[in-house]
Amino acid sequence: DAGVIQSPRHEVTEMGQEVTLRCKPISGHDYLFWYRQTMMRGLELLIYFNNNVPIDDSGMPEDRFSAKMPNASFSTLKIQPSEPRDSAVYFCASSARRSSNTEAFFGQGTRLTVV
Amino acid sequence: AQSVTQLDSQVPVFEEAPVELRCNYSSSVSVYLFWYVQYPNQGLQLLLKYLSGSTLVKGINGFEAEFNKSQTSFHLRKPSVHISDTAEYFCAVSTGFQKLVFGTGTRLLVSP
Repeated sequence: DAGVIQSPRHEVTEMGQEVTLRCKPISGHDYLFWYRQTMMRGLELLIYFNNNVPIDDSGMPEDRFSAKMPNASFSTLKIQPSEPRDSAVYFCASSARRSSNTEAFFGQGTRLTVV
Repeated sequence: AQSVTQLDSQVPVFEEAPVELRCNYSSSVSVYLFWYVQYPNQGLQLLLKYLSGSTLVKGINGFEAEFNKSQTSFHLRKPSVHISDTAEYFCAVSTGFQKLVFGTGTRLLVSP
């Protein structure tokens, strides 16, 4: 398996624009997580899905942020409208409920810069 | 709720010296504990994990960690570091396979 695939790797956009980040989890994994990493706040869990259903979105900072998982192999994180303070690295991770294996596999991240 | 504290934001060390990166956690229930490593411009990679059983856990790249329930600690150690170990290290806690809670990270700087 190619691992968790995120696109784009880098995104530069202007304030007020809509931004969509994409994630393809590892095949067979039934949990998907979106994290945000900043210097100030470290790694924060934004939202996670189980079997394509959002389970906990308490980490989503504002209504400007939304996430979807239309099927088991694809998820999006959308920011509309974007603001400079949204600049961060966004990671997607996936894991499988399989006996005692609780490892989360991370993608390489999307570095978002809002100017 | 669970939380993780990594007191050292940065640890400088010379090559071939031993290193310990500290991690303390807080939880009212049994937890799983993890150490992840992040190389520059990369995602996080699992170093090792404690789920149950032996309190001494061995991971990749010669790292090991010891789970100490009484001190609520899970410190990461390596007897001899290499330049290539320079990276950011994150301790994380979970009560299951969902919702990893990460510490703020420790930057390990290995110099010759």
